[in-house]
Amino acid sequence: KAGVTQTPRYLIKTRGQQVTLSCSPISGHRSVSWYQQTPGQGLQFLFEYFSETQRNKGNFPGRFSGRQFSNSRSEMNVSTLELGDSALYLCASSTSILAKNIQYFGAGTRLSVL
Amino acid sequence: QKEVEQDPGPLSVPEGAIVSLNCTYSNSAFQYFMWYRQYSRKGPELLMYTYSSGNKEDGRFTAQVDKSSKYISLFIRDSQPSDSATYLCAMSSNTGKLIFGQGTTLQVKP
Repeated sequence: KAGVTQTPRYLIKTRGQQVTLSCSPISGHRSVSWYQQTPGQGLQFLFEYFSETQRNKGNFPGRFSGRQFSNSRSEMNVSTLELGDSALYLCASSTSILAKNIQYFGAGTRLSVL
Repeated sequence: QKEVEQDPGPLSVPEGAIVSLNCTYSNSAFQYFMWYRQYSRKGPELLMYTYSSGNKEDGRFTAQVDKSSKYISLFIRDSQPSDSATYLCAMSSNTGKLIFGQGTTLQVKP
């Protein structure tokens, strides 16, 4: 069974631009979560989607948004990029939003903002 | 104060040593406890998963949860150079949102 696929793997953008990252979950998984990982803050939760609806949201500004499609694939968008948005963005999928369900991570998209 | 505290290390041990990794937490609502391993330039992969208090063993890895002390541990026996990675503790309550520790970088020297 294929794992969680994130594209692209690497991105370089400049301040003020916007970016869209894509995540394809494991087949059969309906929940997708997004995380930001930086050396200083570690892994921080962005948001979670289940059945095309946002179910949980972390403490990030409104510049960070996401959506989920009917096939469970998800995208996240960051508008008006800032230098501090440089990070590894990780997507994780699970079978449902129940806490006991394990989340499986993709390899991430490394975003560099210049 | 962060909800989950984890010593970032780095931790360096000789091959064959027993490694102890620890996290403390403040939210008594946490019920599900996990350890993830992350190699450089890779996403985290699940190593151990425990519900509530107790011990769980899987090969060379043992996870312990002490809810009364709000303390979890991961032990690695007979450590190998291939165990060199960053180890992340994670936990969640009924919301399903995972809260991660900062991660501990481990190096096992041959």
